[in-house]
Amino acid sequence: GAVVSQHPSWVICKSGTSVKIECRSLDFQATTMFWYRQFPKQSLMLMATSNEGSKATYEQGVEKDKFLINHASLTLSTLTVTSAHPEDSSFYICSAAGTSVGTDTQYFGPGTRLTVL
Amino acid sequence: GEDVEQSLFLSVREGDSSVINCTYTDSSSTYLYWYKQEPGAGLQLLTYIFSNMDMKQDQRLTVLLNKKDKHLSLRIADTQTGDSAIYFCAESIGGGSQGNLIFGKGTKLSVKP
Repeated sequence: GAVVSQHPSWVICKSGTSVKIECRSLDFQATTMFWYRQFPKQSLMLMATSNEGSKATYEQGVEKDKFLINHASLTLSTLTVTSAHPEDSSFYICSAAGTSVGTDTQYFGPGTRLTVL
Repeated sequence: GEDVEQSLFLSVREGDSSVINCTYTDSSSTYLYWYKQEPGAGLQLLTYIFSNMDMKQDQRLTVLLNKKDKHLSLRIADTQTGDSAIYFCAESIGGGSQGNLIFGKGTKLSVKP
């Protein structure tokens, strides 16, 4: 149990286009989802926290108009990178938490590698 | 602010024990985690420990927590080549699954045959 998927696994796009990444909890209801970003050989940095039906809470330094987060249902959150530029190239990882799978830990998706040309 | 520190590299021989160390700064951390990341993949939760525990053992993995020194370690017994990966230590700020996770930079474990 407690499986989280992400789609796509990887995406290459042209500079200036927008890219949507999906994060799904497959077998539990995720009341909270988190979005992280990982640069090559770096640690994960929390970008934002989203609760179902509410606006996302962004970490300091993360542009909310650049990284649009929607958590419209208990099993799906999306991250849209708007007007992507090469510096947005990174590994984006989501995680999900829900009381039905315990309150000790978040469950991570496999990540999405974004490359902006 | 919160900070989690780890050494960047560790090299061991197959069959030996590996010990990966981590220090953290926030004394209010309630949960501390160890994750494994293989190249190009997401994070795999290995184990975690609640802050009122000193030790937790799970098969080949032993976690030791020294709350006074804010020091966490992960010991892998009988290390195998399949254990080669990057290991991240993380603390939960705000409590368990609902808290923000602060990650260390990761320790790259290399296991030599």
